[in-house]
Amino acid sequence: KAGVTQTPRYLIKTRGQQVTLSCSPISGHRSVSWYQQTPGQGLQFLFEYFSETQRNKGNFPGRFSGRQFSNSRSEMNVSTLELGDSALYLCASRIHEGEKLFFGSGTQLSVL
Amino acid sequence: DAKTTQPPSMDCAEGRAANLPCNHSTISGNEYVYWYRQIHSQGPQYIIHGLKNNETNEMASLIITEDRKSSTLILPHATLRDTAVYYCIVRSDTSGTYKYIFGTGTRLKVLA
Repeated sequence: KAGVTQTPRYLIKTRGQQVTLSCSPISGHRSVSWYQQTPGQGLQFLFEYFSETQRNKGNFPGRFSGRQFSNSRSEMNVSTLELGDSALYLCASRIHEGEKLFFGSGTQLSVL
Repeated sequence: DAKTTQPPSMDCAEGRAANLPCNHSTISGNEYVYWYRQIHSQGPQYIIHGLKNNETNEMASLIITEDRKSSTLILPHATLRDTAVYYCIVRSDTSGTYKYIFGTGTRLKVLA
């Protein structure tokens, strides 16, 4: 069974631009969550989607948004990029509530 | 949300047991303790989880104190490939939805 797939693996953007990251969960997994990882703040929860509905949200500004499609694939969008948005963005999937998370390898975003 | 506290770094000799402590003194009765590890440039990988009983699987053992305020992850025979950052996580349950709160982790270095 294929694991969680995130694309692209690396991304370079400039301040003010917007970016869309993609995540394909493990087949059969209906929940997708997103995390931001930086050296200073560690792993921080962004949001979680289950069956196309946002179930949970972390403490991030509205510039960070996401969605989930009917095939459980998810996208995360960051608008008006700031230098501080440079981070590794990780996606994780699970079958349903309470189950363990399976992480992808992440998208490394650099904002110049 | 319950918070976890871990030592920032630890060393362990190859072949010896690695004991990684975690403090979660504000944990609630129905909150699980999860352990993940992250090897450089990869997403976190699930190791083990538990509620109140000690748990063991092919990777590790988890010892949870009777008051549930702390736990210890044990890697019985550490190898060089176990060098990673280990995260102790409390899975919080808010109105039926789950959130995984990552701490800052312990950087374990296994020495030859």
